[in-house]
Amino acid sequence: GESVGLHLPTLSVQEGDNSIINCAYSNSASDYFIWYKQESGKGPQFIIDIRSNMDKRQGQRVTVLLNKTVKHLSLQIAATQPGDSAVYFCAEKAGGNKLTFGTGTQLKVEL
Amino acid sequence: DTAVSQTPKYLVTQMGNDKSIKCEQNLGHDTMYWYKQDSKKFLKIMFSYNNKELIINETVPNRFSPKSPDKAHLNLHINSLELGDSAVYFCASSQEAGGETQYFGPGTRLLVL
Repeated sequence: GESVGLHLPTLSVQEGDNSIINCAYSNSASDYFIWYKQESGKGPQFIIDIRSNMDKRQGQRVTVLLNKTVKHLSLQIAATQPGDSAVYFCAEKAGGNKLTFGTGTQLKVEL
Repeated sequence: DTAVSQTPKYLVTQMGNDKSIKCEQNLGHDTMYWYKQDSKKFLKIMFSYNNKELIINETVPNRFSPKSPDKAHLNLHINSLELGDSAVYFCASSQEAGGETQYFGPGTRLLVL
């Protein structure tokens, strides 16, 4: 079936560096994508979203890039801080009411 | 004020017992969800209600029964608990049934012994 997956289960970066978290999706009908951050012991928290009619969207220190040709989504975090340490999920929606989540990437920020 | 709240936060129980988890949202949203997160952090939708009406019912054992007394509350009752039910259960809500930006609760950590 269709799935949403992540390239790397764990990503380690130095404080102050930029982080890039990647996500591959396989459902070409997906028209909405969203990134969540989940800190230890907490629920997922919305970061940023993007619709399929866009290639890029920027937020505060975060940018989401969407490449529909290769079905790839990425989350870029600028000047990564210790507070950015968390598991990051991408999710996609292809019509209907359901978000399908990827498997998650653990981001570790080293001081 | 907490936007999406769940009780209890932790639940430890014996196999075969029946337990309930409660969820409330004060965001005025129409749609609420239950997710299960396993030990590998995989998040999977279980149910969704829109204005008290069931709109998503994934392949979940019928031991799991959601109930929505009003659109601000969505409870989850689990009968005859099994070891494999051990997980973190998250409630979420969204403005509409489109399911896009969903706001999650803090989770209920269920351990079945």
